[in-house]
Amino acid sequence: GENVEQHPSTLSVQEGDSAVIKCTYSDSASNYFPWYKQELGKGPQLIIDIRSNVGEKKDQRIAVTLNKTAKHFSLHITETQPEDSAVYFCAASKGQGGKLIFGQGTELSVKP
Amino acid sequence: KAGVTQTPRYLIKTRGQQVTLSCSPISGHRSVSWYQQTPGQGLQFLFEYFSETQRNKGNFPGRFSGRQFSNSRSEMNVSTLELGDSALYLCASSGRKAGGTGELFFGEGSRLTVL
Repeated sequence: GENVEQHPSTLSVQEGDSAVIKCTYSDSASNYFPWYKQELGKGPQLIIDIRSNVGEKKDQRIAVTLNKTAKHFSLHITETQPEDSAVYFCAASKGQGGKLIFGQGTELSVKP
Repeated sequence: KAGVTQTPRYLIKTRGQQVTLSCSPISGHRSVSWYQQTPGQGLQFLFEYFSETQRNKGNFPGRFSGRQFSNSRSEMNVSTLELGDSALYLCASSGRKAGGTGELFFGEGSRLTVL
């Protein structure tokens, strides 16, 4: 069945360091891979997404890479700041509208 | 532009009761999806409605149902509540056209506790 595995479950970095979160998906028909950030008491918010026809996408301090062969995609955050502290979720979709298969989440803590 | 609004934000029910949760999407959005979030299972897709029609359904029992009205507002209902139904229920709207994918805008959720 459809599954997305996400690692690590927790990640602690010093302010200014980089953070990397990795996800693996099982369904080769997946073609859309968003990343969401969830702060305490709030709903998830999209921070970046990538489609299967693109290998890498960057938006300021955030970048995502996709390896379709390995069915693997990663989130890279550079120059981390305390406000980056949150839970990050990767997800995969087969183009089925609002249906996303989410990873289990990574709790990122950025220490000043 | 107002975001996705979910009501109620918190509620407590007892086993066997039923509950109805409401979601008002962003103005102009016709797609509404529902997710259940728990510490153990994470974020799991319940169903999606687009223009009053259910377009997709997750692997949840028939006790979980939903509907969408002509103004795109959506409700979900859980009947015969079980302890395991305790969760944060998130609604998300999307401005995408029918089919395809796009950004989901999530509300802050309705936290249900079943005693």
